[in-house]
Amino acid sequence: EVQLVESGGGLVKPGGSLRLSCAASGFTFSSYTMTWVRQAPGKGLEWVSSISSSSSYIYYADSVKGRFTISRDNAKNSLYLQMNSLRAEDTAVYYCARLESSGYYCAYWGQGTLVTVSS
Amino acid sequence: QSALTQPASVSGSPGQSITISCTGTSSDVGGYNYVSWYQQHPGKAPKLMIYEVSNRPSGVSNRFSGSKSGNTASLTISGLQAEDEANYYCSSYTTSITFVVFGGGTKLTVL
Repeated sequence: EVQLVESGGGLVKPGGSLRLSCAASGFTFSSYTMTWVRQAPGKGLEWVSSISSSSSYIYYADSVKGRFTISRDNAKNSLYLQMNSLRAEDTAVYYCARLESSGYYCAYWGQGTLVTVSS
Repeated sequence: QSALTQPASVSGSPGQSITISCTGTSSDVGGYNYVSWYQQHPGKAPKLMIYEVSNRPSGVSNRFSGSKSGNTASLTISGLQAEDEANYYCSSYTTSITFVVFGGGTKLTVL
């Protein structure tokens, strides 16, 4: 069974940093592109970043480019999102998802972790 | 403003059919058959309902179907049931600066 479990969310002050993790199991992690998607309270889904299976290709939304860094450790079956210079508008539930590169869709999602940026 | 345009809300009575539209451009919806649809109930993670325009994942009811014409994709739900009440999001691959884009979401109310 495919499982994605996010962790690392919490309350952080504006300008602060946070590192999210996503532990994957039930599939060959090193074979898949992984993605972070976020959802601000009461708002829609927003794609944040994707990383290819070997980390060769990395993409970011304009809203986080230069502040967030996506990475992965295939030996540990883990995905990460380093978030720096956090702003109030980064407040959201952050989901880890497995992206099917054949069709650019996410068949599996984690339960999400809440990041709150507030003073 | 989201890259893909969806109606904010739609509604229908049990047993009826509804269609949710998702309008993009030739750089996303119109240019590729990489449109997917997600259902999200409050407080839950999104669930994939349709991928590659019209394919249903295993376990998704055949009451859900997808199609595309030009720059507009559509999700149709037939035989509406109370459990279909949720938010629905379309998504597409894009050749614009971003990699994947979502629609703003549509709230489906089953009357």
